[in-house]
Amino acid sequence: GPKVLQIPSHQIIDMGQMVTLNCDPVSNHLYFYWYKQILGQQMEFLVNFYNGKVMEKSKLFKDQFSVERPDGSYFTLKIQPTALEDSAVYFCASSLETGANTGQLYFGEGSKLTVL
Amino acid sequence: AQSVTQPDARVTVSEGASLQLRCKYSYFGTPYLFWYVQYPRQGLQLLLKYYPGDPVVQGVNGFEAEFSKSNSSFHLRKASVHWSDWAVYFCAVSHMGYKLTFGTGTSLLVDP
Repeated sequence: GPKVLQIPSHQIIDMGQMVTLNCDPVSNHLYFYWYKQILGQQMEFLVNFYNGKVMEKSKLFKDQFSVERPDGSYFTLKIQPTALEDSAVYFCASSLETGANTGQLYFGEGSKLTVL
Repeated sequence: AQSVTQPDARVTVSEGASLQLRCKYSYFGTPYLFWYVQYPRQGLQLLLKYYPGDPVVQGVNGFEAEFSKSNSSFHLRKASVHWSDWAVYFCAVSHMGYKLTFGTGTSLLVDP
């Protein structure tokens, strides 16, 4: 089936550094999402993105976070600067359409971020 | 606010036995409900989804789930578990289909 690829699968960085998580969504999909999962806790919605713009973001999407998809390449989540509480697994997802009846999300395997 | 509770962090069943994974939701209004599965080293995959209608929904690989408004539940079932079902299962509720609220997941271990 359709696949969403995430790079890197695991990254360890020092607090205060910048990190970019990359997502290669399903090729014809138009809507892109990031979710965050802290170990043992729920996966939580961060942001969704369409037509070059953020459509909606949650309170977890701090000012240090940004997303973009320049020229149809990777959909990226950048954190600058990172904080200890940013340690989590970040899941990217994409969908062709949005809405309850049509918007099936396809998820990547996750990028595990460890901030020391 | 909407929420999902999966009370069992880990469930172990013997191969060939029946399975039920529990999911309780909290939602004001009519929910859209989903079960996703994450196999080792893979992304989350949709197993089945419930939209208002028939309370029993069929999914892939012999899975089904039953929606109960009175119990605020959406339990996942399978009549006969296979070793390949070893995975983590996530229940989710949504208003708009994309802004999913997930449970913490249930790890299913299958005894050979």
